Amino acid sequence: DTEVTQTPKHLVMGMTNKKSLKCEQHMGHRAMYWYKQKAKKPPELMFVYSYEKLSINESVPSRFSPECPNSSLLNLHLHALQPEDSALYLCASSQEGPGPGYEQYFGPGTRLTVT
Amino acid sequence: GDSVTQMEGPVTLSEEACLTINCTYTATGYPSLFWYVQYPGEGLQLLLKATKADDKGSNKGFEATYRKETTSFHLEKGSVQVSDSAVYFCALSETGYSTLTFGKGTMLLVSP
Repeated sequence: DTEVTQTPKHLVMGMTNKKSLKCEQHMGHRAMYWYKQKAKKPPELMFVYSYEKLSINESVPSRFSPECPNSSLLNLHLHALQPEDSALYLCASSQEGPGPGYEQYFGPGTRLTVT
Repeated sequence: GDSVTQMEGPVTLSEEACLTINCTYTATGYPSLFWYVQYPGEGLQLLLKATKADDKGSNKGFEATYRKETTSFHLEKGSVQVSDSAVYFCALSETGYSTLTFGKGTMLLVSP
């Protein structure tokens, strides 16, 4: 099973709302990722968790707050977003550790619209 | 730093035509190379991969060969279908790392 699931599929929120995106994988992967993707662009890396610890934060504004409750789950908490944050948010997972560069498996994404 | 360069799109083909999407890379080490496909409204799906020089990745009729001498990983298919219409991303990951470096993506449009 190479499935990564994400909920919700679509989310509309106002600039004063607080919401969360959720991601789950059961492949035993120890690295998990959040990406932001704008139309006609490649995904932009936001955060990387390795063995449930935040290892990379690509200078993401603090209105985005990631959380990794356990090795299978990844959340992205959203607060006071701006309209320019509207995008497709993708979660991914991969193996971690020495070896060849590992492929990532992506979820279907959450389409976020900030009004 | 690492980088991936893909041909600009869109690439427009008729059904059953041959496809080549060029991809070249710059890397400091010995990367693994990937092609991902993204259908409209969906996430990215791993299409194929190669982890060392001269490896050929293949899946669903698509192929790509890891060419170290030309630092290339071109995607090919002998006969495209309308259902192949999507955006294709070339990507690399360095040995010992899992973060991906993506190309800008190439949109493929196949007409009946």
